[in-house]
Amino acid sequence: QVQLVQSGAEVKKPGASVKLSCKASGFTYTSHAMHWLRQAPGQGLEWMGWVDAGNGNTRYSQKFQGRLTITRDTSAMTAYMELGSLTSEDTAVYYCARESAGNIDKWFDPWGQGTLVTVSS
Amino acid sequence: DIQMTQSPSTLSASVGDRVTITCRASQNIDNLLAWYQQRPGKAPDLLIYRATTLKSGVPSRFSGGGSGTDFTLTISSLQPDDFATYYCEQYDIYPLTFGGGTKVEI
Repeated sequence: QVQLVQSGAEVKKPGASVKLSCKASGFTYTSHAMHWLRQAPGQGLEWMGWVDAGNGNTRYSQKFQGRLTITRDTSAMTAYMELGSLTSEDTAVYYCARESAGNIDKWFDPWGQGTLVTVSS
Repeated sequence: DIQMTQSPSTLSASVGDRVTITCRASQNIDNLLAWYQQRPGKAPDLLIYRATTLKSGVPSRFSGGGSGTDFTLTISSLQPDDFATYYCEQYDIYPLTFGGGTKVEI
């Protein structure tokens, strides 16, 4: 079945970077964009950016420009999200999600199980 | 950025109730809106896309309406499994943005 499995929880110090992974299975990987989103404790959902799994193109929310990098490895069917210059405001559950096929729709299905990133000194 | 305003933020209801959640966009997004359900400690699940299209396998008690700036998610007869938080998402213009969520509780 279509599935996204994310890497495990991370604890980082302020100023550090974190790199998360999202392994896909059950679908044609290169036909979709893979997005990263996050959810701070008790808060709503925030979109961060995507990578086109086919050609590697990326697009990021301006909020994260300069410290966010999303990449993919097509042979491993895995997307990666690296966020640098971490502060306590980056403490959140990070999700990867598959974008719908096609050029217009950008809804997400499925989502990974989420990875908790805690930033603390 | 397009602001998505959901109301109410919390909704108290009982099994069997008909409930409606609203989502208002700060500008016209046509029908480029999705709804998600999130249970505690879990990732969101897609319910509806293009404002009104039910994802395959989602119970028919869920329905979506609206276009332009005003949208609704209706649950015709609330079931125990439906107590969760619901989010709308606009995908017309970057950055993609979500409503603040509506928690449906007993």
